[in-house]
Amino acid sequence: QKEVEQNSGPLSVPEGAIASLNCTYSDRVSQSFFWYRQYSGKSPELIMSIYSNGDKEDGRFTAQLNKASQYVSLLIRDSQPSDSATYLCAVISGSSGGGADGLTFGKGTHLIIQP
Amino acid sequence: DVKVTQSSRYLVKRTGEKVFLECVQDMDHENMFWYRQDPGLGLRLIYFSYDVKMKEKGDIPEGYSVSREKKERFSLILESASTNQTSMYLCASSGITGGFWYGYTFGSGTRLTVV
Repeated sequence: QKEVEQNSGPLSVPEGAIASLNCTYSDRVSQSFFWYRQYSGKSPELIMSIYSNGDKEDGRFTAQLNKASQYVSLLIRDSQPSDSATYLCAVISGSSGGGADGLTFGKGTHLIIQP
Repeated sequence: DVKVTQSSRYLVKRTGEKVFLECVQDMDHENMFWYRQDPGLGLRLIYFSYDVKMKEKGDIPEGYSVSREKKERFSLILESASTNQTSMYLCASSGITGGFWYGYTFGSGTRLTVV
Protein backbone atom coordinates (compact mmCIF):
# COMPACT_ATOMS: atom_id res chain seq x y z
CA GLN A 1 0.00 0.00 0.00
CA LYS A 2 1.61 3.19 -1.19
CA GLU A 3 1.24 6.01 1.33
CA VAL A 4 1.88 9.72 1.28
CA GLU A 5 1.84 11.42 4.66
CA GLN A 6 1.35 15.08 5.45
CA ASN A 7 0.63 16.96 8.62
CA SER A 8 -2.98 18.11 8.28
CA GLY A 9 -2.36 21.38 10.12
CA PRO A 10 -3.55 24.01 10.24
CA LEU A 11 -0.14 25.56 9.80
CA SER A 12 -0.27 29.25 10.68
CA VAL A 13 2.46 31.53 9.29
CA PRO A 14 2.72 35.33 9.52
CA GLU A 15 2.59 37.31 6.30
CA GLY A 16 6.05 37.76 4.78
CA ALA A 17 7.54 34.73 6.50
CA ILE A 18 8.60 31.41 4.97
CA ALA A 19 6.01 28.64 5.01
CA SER A 20 7.47 25.13 5.10
CA LEU A 21 5.31 22.18 4.11
CA ASN A 22 6.50 18.61 4.46
CA CYS A 23 5.61 15.24 2.97
CA THR A 24 6.92 11.69 3.32
CA TYR A 25 6.18 8.75 1.05
CA SER A 26 6.46 5.01 1.45
CA ASP A 27 7.23 3.70 -2.05
CA ARG A 28 10.99 3.71 -2.58
CA VAL A 29 10.71 3.47 -6.36
CA SER A 30 8.71 6.70 -6.66
CA GLN A 31 10.16 8.99 -9.28
CA SER A 32 7.83 11.91 -9.81
CA PHE A 33 6.65 14.30 -7.13
CA PHE A 34 4.13 17.10 -7.23
CA TRP A 35 2.66 19.83 -5.09
CA TYR A 36 -0.89 20.99 -5.62
CA ARG A 37 -2.65 23.98 -4.14
CA GLN A 38 -6.37 23.76 -3.46
CA TYR A 39 -8.53 26.66 -2.43
CA SER A 40 -11.71 25.89 -0.54
CA GLY A 41 -14.41 24.65 -2.92
CA LYS A 42 -12.05 24.58 -5.89
CA SER A 43 -10.13 21.83 -7.65
CA PRO A 44 -6.42 21.16 -7.07
CA GLU A 45 -3.98 23.21 -9.13
CA LEU A 46 -0.49 21.95 -9.93
CA ILE A 47 2.13 24.40 -8.67
CA MET A 48 5.40 22.43 -8.60
CA SER A 49 6.85 19.19 -9.93
CA ILE A 50 10.23 17.69 -9.06
CA TYR A 51 11.92 14.57 -10.35
CA SER A 52 15.49 14.55 -9.02
CA ASN A 53 17.16 15.10 -5.67
CA GLY A 54 17.82 18.66 -4.65
CA ASP A 55 15.97 21.94 -4.92
CA LYS A 56 13.80 23.35 -7.66
CA GLU A 57 12.77 26.98 -7.54
CA ASP A 58 9.90 28.71 -9.29
CA GLY A 59 9.23 32.25 -8.17
CA ARG A 60 8.41 32.25 -4.46
CA PHE A 61 8.12 28.45 -4.41
CA THR A 62 10.92 25.96 -3.82
CA ALA A 63 10.42 22.21 -3.90
CA GLN A 64 13.00 20.01 -2.19
CA LEU A 65 13.42 16.30 -2.75
CA ASN A 66 15.47 13.78 -0.77
CA LYS A 67 14.89 10.29 -2.16
CA ALA A 68 17.15 8.62 0.38
CA SER A 69 14.96 9.95 3.20
CA GLN A 70 11.76 9.64 1.11
CA TYR A 71 10.96 13.23 1.87
CA VAL A 72 9.57 16.09 -0.19
CA SER A 73 9.02 19.64 0.97
CA LEU A 74 7.62 22.89 -0.34
CA LEU A 75 8.87 26.27 0.79
CA ILE A 76 6.87 29.42 0.15
CA ARG A 77 8.88 32.61 0.59
CA ASP A 78 7.36 35.99 1.39
CA SER A 79 4.04 34.33 2.25
CA GLN A 80 0.92 36.23 1.23
CA PRO A 81 -2.66 35.90 2.48
CA SER A 82 -3.53 34.58 -1.00
CA ASP A 83 -1.31 31.58 -0.27
CA SER A 84 -3.81 30.42 2.35
CA ALA A 85 -5.04 27.10 0.99
CA THR A 86 -4.66 23.35 1.36
CA TYR A 87 -1.47 21.98 -0.16
CA LEU A 88 -1.50 18.42 -1.46
CA CYS A 89 1.61 16.35 -1.95
CA ALA A 90 1.38 13.70 -4.69
CA VAL A 91 3.69 10.94 -5.83
CA ILE A 92 3.92 8.70 -8.90
CA SER A 93 5.58 5.34 -8.54
CA GLY A 94 8.39 4.77 -11.01
CA SER A 95 7.43 1.15 -11.37
CA SER A 96 4.13 1.85 -13.04
CA GLY A 97 4.26 5.45 -14.12
CA GLY A 98 1.11 7.49 -14.30
CA GLY A 99 -0.93 4.89 -16.05
CA ALA A 100 -1.43 1.75 -14.03
CA ASP A 101 -1.47 3.35 -10.61
CA GLY A 102 -1.67 7.04 -11.13
CA LEU A 103 -0.90 9.59 -8.47
CA THR A 104 -1.04 8.85 -4.78
CA PHE A 105 -2.11 11.92 -2.85
CA GLY A 106 -1.54 12.94 0.71
CA LYS A 107 -4.53 14.35 2.55
CA GLY A 108 -3.10 17.82 2.48
CA THR A 109 -1.84 20.50 4.84
CA HIS A 110 -4.09 23.46 5.56
CA LEU A 111 -1.97 26.62 5.45
CA ILE A 112 -3.12 29.92 6.94
CA ILE A 113 -1.16 33.11 6.29
CA GLN A 114 -1.92 35.64 8.96
CA PRO A 115 -1.91 39.32 7.82
CA ASP B 1 -2.83 25.19 -21.42
CA VAL B 2 -4.42 21.81 -20.91
CA LYS B 3 -8.07 22.07 -20.28
CA VAL B 4 -10.18 19.51 -18.54
CA THR B 5 -13.85 20.36 -18.69
CA GLN B 6 -16.51 18.83 -16.48
CA SER B 7 -20.02 19.23 -17.74
CA SER B 8 -21.67 20.38 -14.52
CA ARG B 9 -20.47 22.42 -11.58
CA TYR B 10 -23.37 21.54 -9.30
CA LEU B 11 -25.88 18.69 -9.52
CA VAL B 12 -28.76 17.63 -7.31
CA LYS B 13 -30.17 14.17 -7.93
CA ARG B 14 -32.64 11.89 -6.24
CA THR B 15 -31.83 8.58 -4.61
CA GLY B 16 -32.03 5.77 -7.15
CA GLU B 17 -31.46 7.96 -10.20
CA LYS B 18 -28.82 7.06 -12.78
CA VAL B 19 -26.32 9.90 -12.93
CA PHE B 20 -23.83 10.72 -15.68
CA LEU B 21 -20.80 12.93 -15.05
CA GLU B 22 -18.95 13.95 -18.19
CA CYS B 23 -15.34 14.97 -18.59
CA VAL B 24 -13.50 16.16 -21.71
CA GLN B 25 -9.80 16.99 -22.13
CA ASP B 26 -8.22 18.76 -25.06
CA MET B 27 -4.54 17.71 -24.92
CA ASP B 28 -4.63 14.21 -26.34
CA HIS B 29 -3.68 12.74 -22.95
CA GLU B 30 -3.55 9.00 -22.64
CA ASN B 31 -4.73 8.78 -19.06
CA MET B 32 -7.90 9.99 -17.46
CA PHE B 33 -9.09 9.62 -13.89
CA TRP B 34 -12.13 10.07 -11.70
CA TYR B 35 -11.71 10.96 -8.03
CA ARG B 36 -14.06 11.90 -5.28
CA GLN B 37 -13.03 14.20 -2.47
CA ASP B 38 -14.61 14.25 0.96
CA PRO B 39 -13.59 16.17 4.08
CA GLY B 40 -11.07 14.22 6.14
CA LEU B 41 -10.75 11.47 3.53
CA GLY B 42 -8.78 13.29 0.87
CA LEU B 43 -8.84 12.34 -2.78
CA ARG B 44 -9.94 8.79 -3.49
CA LEU B 45 -9.55 7.18 -6.89
CA ILE B 46 -12.73 5.69 -8.31
CA TYR B 47 -11.71 4.58 -11.80
CA PHE B 48 -9.06 5.39 -14.35
CA SER B 49 -8.44 4.72 -18.01
CA TYR B 50 -5.17 4.60 -19.90
CA ASP B 51 -6.63 4.10 -23.36
CA VAL B 52 -9.87 4.19 -25.28
CA LYS B 53 -12.27 1.50 -24.12
CA MET B 54 -9.87 0.55 -21.32
CA LYS B 55 -10.77 1.01 -17.69
CA GLU B 56 -9.28 0.05 -14.37
CA LYS B 57 -10.82 0.07 -10.91
CA GLY B 58 -9.37 2.42 -8.39
CA ASP B 59 -9.73 2.26 -4.63
CA ILE B 60 -13.49 2.76 -4.38
CA PRO B 61 -15.25 1.55 -7.56
CA GLU B 62 -18.36 0.13 -5.91
CA GLY B 63 -21.53 1.79 -7.14
CA TYR B 64 -19.80 3.41 -10.10
CA SER B 65 -18.98 2.55 -13.68
CA VAL B 66 -17.14 4.42 -16.42
CA SER B 67 -17.09 4.75 -20.17
CA ARG B 68 -14.34 5.88 -22.50
CA GLU B 69 -15.47 5.64 -26.10
CA LYS B 70 -13.22 8.45 -27.32
CA LYS B 71 -9.76 9.44 -26.15
CA GLU B 72 -10.83 12.90 -25.04
CA ARG B 73 -13.93 11.89 -23.11
CA PHE B 74 -14.27 9.94 -19.87
CA SER B 75 -17.66 9.50 -18.25
CA LEU B 76 -18.49 8.46 -14.71
CA ILE B 77 -21.81 6.74 -14.14
CA LEU B 78 -23.58 6.31 -10.83
CA GLU B 79 -25.82 3.36 -11.55
CA SER B 80 -28.29 4.08 -8.74
CA ALA B 81 -27.41 7.18 -6.79
CA SER B 82 -27.34 6.95 -3.02
CA THR B 83 -26.93 9.62 -0.35
CA ASN B 84 -23.43 8.35 0.52
CA GLN B 85 -22.36 9.34 -2.98
CA THR B 86 -22.88 12.99 -2.16
CA SER B 87 -19.41 14.40 -2.79
CA MET B 88 -17.13 16.53 -4.92
CA TYR B 89 -16.19 14.61 -8.06
CA LEU B 90 -12.97 15.51 -9.82
CA CYS B 91 -11.85 14.43 -13.26
CA ALA B 92 -8.18 14.60 -14.23
CA SER B 93 -5.96 13.76 -17.17
CA SER B 94 -2.25 13.22 -17.59
CA GLY B 95 0.34 12.38 -20.20
CA ILE B 96 4.03 11.58 -20.51
CA THR B 97 6.92 13.53 -21.90
CA GLY B 98 10.63 12.80 -21.86
CA GLY B 99 9.97 9.56 -20.02
CA PHE B 100 8.33 11.24 -17.07
CA TRP B 101 4.68 11.43 -16.28
CA TYR B 102 3.70 14.95 -15.57
CA GLY B 103 1.20 15.96 -12.96
CA TYR B 104 -2.49 15.73 -13.43
CA THR B 105 -4.62 18.55 -14.67
CA PHE B 106 -7.93 18.61 -12.88
CA GLY B 107 -11.29 19.77 -14.05
CA SER B 108 -13.19 22.31 -11.99
CA GLY B 109 -15.14 19.57 -10.21
CA THR B 110 -18.79 18.62 -9.88
CA ARG B 111 -20.41 18.95 -6.51
CA LEU B 112 -23.08 16.27 -6.46
CA THR B 113 -25.80 16.18 -3.86
CA VAL B 114 -28.05 13.11 -3.67
CA VAL B 115 -31.29 13.68 -1.80
